[in-house]
Amino acid sequence: GAGVSQSPSNKVTEKGKDVELRCDPISGHTALYWYRQRLGQGLEFLIYFQGNSAPDKSGLPSDRFSAERTGESVSTLTIQRTQQEDSAVYLCASSFQGSRGYTFGSGTRLTVV
Amino acid sequence: AQTVTQSQPEMSVQEAETVTLSCTYDTSENNYYLFWYKQPPSRQMILVIRQEAYKQQNATENRFSVNFQKAAKSFSLKISDSQLGDTAMYFCAFMRYNNNDMRFGAGTRLTVKP
Repeated sequence: GAGVSQSPSNKVTEKGKDVELRCDPISGHTALYWYRQRLGQGLEFLIYFQGNSAPDKSGLPSDRFSAERTGESVSTLTIQRTQQEDSAVYLCASSFQGSRGYTFGSGTRLTVV
Repeated sequence: AQTVTQSQPEMSVQEAETVTLSCTYDTSENNYYLFWYKQPPSRQMILVIRQEAYKQQNATENRFSVNFQKAAKSFSLKISDSQLGDTAMYFCAFMRYNNNDMRFGAGTRLTVKP
């Protein structure tokens, strides 16, 4: 597609439920990134996929968080047993050549009640 | 580890005036890239300008320019002739050479007043 697409745009879930967030990167972009942005704060790195290499999971805050990507296409970020502190905007970005900068999606606003 | 610091949580400027947003970073690398991103209320992060550390010339993009001081590890963004549409959060970011992992500062909220 023309841009990075994320769905859903907004998600409200009950504490303890699992959620899946989806990211559809720009076609041909080999790298895909997930960031978390809490209200009024900066971007917190979560995970990074590059082609078929093993992902860099160093930013995942706990084992409740996981992400998958099939080849160079769609990625899903899964949060199990959601907690209120998981409430944030989750941003996805993709790039072909990271040094040229990333293209971001509009994010998913997750609210855990 | 690389860190990016934006010391101004909030700033404001009158329309048509000039404003400078500060950014400093910490790295032992010699080659790297620096970026400024804009995040309007729509949440979409938009690349404003990028700088390659091995280039001494400061990058410019229309009304946006940077003052890159490599020795001081400083990378400020100057917005000239500010417009109401420039109201947004601005994030400074750092990326090591040959590494696609970008790290962001905490952001500066800029308000352009009519």
